[in-house]
Order: sequence, then structure tokens, then C-alpha cells
Amino acid sequence: KAGVTQTPRYLIKTRGQQVTLSCSPISGHRSVSWYQQTPGQGLQFLFEYFSETQRNKGNFPGRFSGRQFSNSRSEMNVSTLELGDSALYLCASSGGLASSSYEQYFGPGTRLTVT
Amino acid sequence: AQTVTQSQPEMSVQEAETVTLSCTYDTSESDYYLFWYKQPPSRQMILVIRQEAYKQQNATENRFSVNFQKAAKSFSLKISDSQLGDAAMYFCAYVKGGSEKLVFGKGTKLTVNP
Repeated sequence: KAGVTQTPRYLIKTRGQQVTLSCSPISGHRSVSWYQQTPGQGLQFLFEYFSETQRNKGNFPGRFSGRQFSNSRSEMNVSTLELGDSALYLCASSGGLASSSYEQYFGPGTRLTVT
Repeated sequence: AQTVTQSQPEMSVQEAETVTLSCTYDTSESDYYLFWYKQPPSRQMILVIRQEAYKQQNATENRFSVNFQKAAKSFSLKISDSQLGDAAMYFCAYVKGGSEKLVFGKGTKLTVNP
């Protein structure tokens, strides 16, 4: 099975712009979660989608949003970028609660740099 | 709120030796799962091992094993016969049953010396 894929791998944006990141889960996985990784804050949960519905959301401002499509692919959007949004954004997929293992498999990440 | 603490920012081990990474967590839940993830310099997060809270038996995956002490809320990772490829950041993570929200520790950087 192919693993989780994320595009693009690297992005450089300017303050005030917006950005969209994409994630394709492992085939058959229906749950997609997003995490932000920074040296200062570590790994923080952004949100989780299952069957096109956001089920859980972390403590991030409304500038961070996401969605999931019927094929389980997910996108996250960050509007009005700030310097502090520079981070590695990781996507993870799992079989969802039905799998009962709660194992999440991560993609390679998108490195976002805001200048 | 659940928290995960890794008290060792850095550890080192000689190749072929054994090393133990520490993790403690805080939760009032009875249904939860614990994980160790490895993040090498490539930044790809790799699942190393999983432990269900309801299982008393410690999980083992080849050279990796855990010491799960539920009452003490401790979840350490033992790596036996350490290899150069084991060098990475190791993250301890917790998830409550019924949720997909992983809570991570700050990580331990493991160096393997030849």
C-alpha cells in the first residue's frame, strides 16, 4: 500500500498571503489529522476529519481551516499568514475508530516558510 | 487536559548497547492508547510501537519493547542492540479512546555512537 502523501513538500510564502496544503491518506483510511510542528511548541494537533466532517479541533485561530473530500483526501488552508506560521505541517491517516487500533500513519510533511 | 512528559531531551548510546527512553503521562481516562514514534532527520514520523492501556502485557516489536506501568503512568521505550539507524528524535504520544487527537511529548534526541 502506498503511504500518506503530502503536497507540496516545501513552500515559501509572504506574510499576509494564504496557503493550501494537500494530503492523500493511505488507501482505505477514512480519518485524516493535521499537526503543526515547530521547535518551540513541538507537535500540536490542528484538526481531524472523518467522512468529510471535522470531528475534533485543536487550539488554533480561525485562520487555520481544513476540509475533507469524499475520497478522504484532505486539504488545510491558512489565511493571512504570519511569521509564526512557519512550521512543518504533518498529515496523518488512520482507519478511524472502527479500526480500534488508533494507529496514525504520517506523511513526509510540508515545510512552510513565511517571510 | 492530558499531558505527556519526556524528561530526557537528549540521550546517547553505543552501537549494540541497550538504551531506555522515559515518558510519563497524565490522564484521568481509563481508555487510552500510548505510542512511540521515531522521527529521523528526514522528518518522516514512523510508528515504532503501540500499547493499549487495558493490556497488562508490555508490547514488543523486534528490538523495541516498552515498560508500561499504568499506576505510575509511566511508559518507557527500551531499544536493544542499538543500530546507527536508530538515531532520531523519539516522541511519546497519547490518545484517548474515542478520539484521534494525539498528544505528544517534547521528544528525546537519541544519538547512536559507533
